[in-house]
Amino acid sequence: QKEVEQDPGPLSVPEGAIVSLNCTYSNSAFQYFMWYRQYSRKGPELLMYTYSSGNKEDGRFTAQVDKSSKYISLFIRDSQPSDSATYLCATMTQGGSEKLVFGKGTKLTVNP
Amino acid sequence: DSGVTQTPKHLITATGQRVTLRCSPRSGDLSVYWYQQSLDQGLQFLIQYYNGEERAKGNILERFSAQQFPDLHSELNLSSLELGDSALYFCASSVVSRADTQYFGPGTRLTVL
Repeated sequence: QKEVEQDPGPLSVPEGAIVSLNCTYSNSAFQYFMWYRQYSRKGPELLMYTYSSGNKEDGRFTAQVDKSSKYISLFIRDSQPSDSATYLCATMTQGGSEKLVFGKGTKLTVNP
Repeated sequence: DSGVTQTPKHLITATGQRVTLRCSPRSGDLSVYWYQQSLDQGLQFLIQYYNGEERAKGNILERFSAQQFPDLHSELNLSSLELGDSALYFCASSVVSRADTQYFGPGTRLTVL
């Protein structure tokens, strides 16, 4: 079983839709949770960063972590064509060998 | 623009050859990370350097090696290249040795023919 599982999609939605992107993870030691956005032919950029469980909101984006079910979510409200990209979840343990473990990414297309 | 630079952008080479990828971190960042991204494996962590010292190792093959120089730029050396090494190689940097806030470069696309 991979440490982080993410549905690769692709996911296609109309402009203005609410988008839900999800990951599951297997290692209960993961404490830090991130979402990266990667545009075509570009490097990933950090979008959201959450420590432990709970929600974090930033504009149209909300990151949610449920450690009891080992589930990570990213919600995008009022989606825009400029949100079309691949979204990667990533996790990290606290202390010890601190390396990021990434999901494979979900490709999102927002149609105007 | 993240401030991390990588050269070259594209590299085409043959099996059995050796190549060197270069990365310059953001100004002030001491940590450099190398990743390989392929369609089937996704983004895989290879190795991390912090202020010139190797800090963490991931799924890096023995044919691959890296180093970080006193001016903090880093090089990833790939030798005895195989077709399966064709991928995007990303460098990322962070201020300290923690991996949670990394800034990624634009990547080097390696094609092995």
